[in-house]
Amino acid sequence: KAGVTQTPRYLIKTRGQQVTLSCSPISGHRSVSWYQQTPGQGLQFLFEYFSETQRNKGNFPGRFSGRQFSNSRSEMNVSTLELGDSALYLCASSLAGRSGAFFGQGTRLTVV
Amino acid sequence: GIQVEQSPPDLILQEGANSTLRCNFSDSVNNLQWFHQNPWGQLINLFYIPSGTKQNGRLSATTVATERYSLLYISSSQTTDSGVYFCAVDGANAGGTSYGKLTFGQGTILTVHP
Repeated sequence: KAGVTQTPRYLIKTRGQQVTLSCSPISGHRSVSWYQQTPGQGLQFLFEYFSETQRNKGNFPGRFSGRQFSNSRSEMNVSTLELGDSALYLCASSLAGRSGAFFGQGTRLTVV
Repeated sequence: GIQVEQSPPDLILQEGANSTLRCNFSDSVNNLQWFHQNPWGQLINLFYIPSGTKQNGRLSATTVATERYSLLYISSSQTTDSGVYFCAVDGANAGGTSYGKLTFGQGTILTVHP
């Protein structure tokens, strides 16, 4: 069974641009969550999608958004990038959001 | 929200030594997981252990839910065990605000020297 796949693995963007990250969950998993990891703040929850609906959202500004498609694949978008958005973005999938979560390899975003 | 504290923050061992990592959490949990973050950033699942004891090779974990802590044991450590170990929980009393949300501790940085 294939694991969680995130693309791209690395990105370099300029301040003010926008970026879209993609996550393909494990087959059969309908819950997809996104996390941001920075040296200063650690791992922080961004949002969770289940059956194309956002069920939960962390404490991030509206520049951070996401969506989920009918095949459970998910994308997250960050608009008007700031230097502080430089981070490792991790996606996790689970069967129902209340079982064990499995993480992808992450997308490392650098904003210059 | 639920708080998660891990100790120690740093641990340095010689190859072959045993170690115990601790995770304390502030409220009841539905889910508790231990992860190892590899040098490329991926979080590798070690255990899904909201309660009880599990073993996988040289690693074992115990969660005492009533006392709100979990322990990860690493025996006969190897240099490949180096990295950051995270405990993450899903609070049971958070209602809908817990959907898909794991709250992570700050991690334990383990360094194993040959």
